[in-house]
Amino acid sequence: QAVLTQPSSLSASPGASASLTCTLRSGINVATYWIFWYQQKPGSPPQFLLRYRSDSDKQQGSGVPSRFSGSKDASANAGILLISGLQSEDEADYYCMIWHTSAWVFGGGTKLTVL
Amino acid sequence: EVQLVESGGGLVQPGRSLRLSCAASGFTFDDYAMHWVRQGPGKGLEWVSGISRSSGSIGYADSVKGRFTISRDNAKNSLYLQMNSLRAEDTALYYCAKHEGTFYNSINDAFDMWGQGTMVTVSS
Repeated sequence: QAVLTQPSSLSASPGASASLTCTLRSGINVATYWIFWYQQKPGSPPQFLLRYRSDSDKQQGSGVPSRFSGSKDASANAGILLISGLQSEDEADYYCMIWHTSAWVFGGGTKLTVL
Repeated sequence: EVQLVESGGGLVQPGRSLRLSCAASGFTFDDYAMHWVRQGPGKGLEWVSGISRSSGSIGYADSVKGRFTISRDNAKNSLYLQMNSLRAEDTALYYCAKHEGTFYNSINDAFDMWGQGTMVTVSS
């Protein structure tokens, strides 16, 4: 089982909100981890969006709009990237990342389609 | 302007070697840890290796341990990845990424800048 699991795809309408999940493998407690989120558009390198550990420990990437926010769902053992007021330019792949057992680990990524 | 420019990619036969370089500019290179991250064709991101600002701390993904060596030359503002015993599964776009912190394993620091990548294709 992968350390981080993300749904492969998600679709949402312009103006709506999208909630992207990053589920940690059973036995790895999301509560203690910093979760990083990256956005990657076709043909471009990833861009750092934000990091989130708790509501008092979080930081937005430079220039990243506030409609991108992070949270956690302890019951699901997952990190969440919430994108509100979806715009066509938000269509991209989104990756979560954590530091786990001496390595940086990425989730498989979620392709977000805005239609 | 912060810039990371990778070079050295290409087509190489299985079992051969290749050395990637990353030229950094626009920031104080020796203040920050650096990483290599790869992305196979149509696939997700995979961390390859990281190195702390002074090269005192280095880490590798299990998939490349013993075959790849990361290094840096702070005087030349450059990061390197020596790749030996290359396999078909190493085929990927290799990104150089700047860490926000000084240690590659600082758990609350992000990879805040990325280069455009250099493509490595391992095939006979």
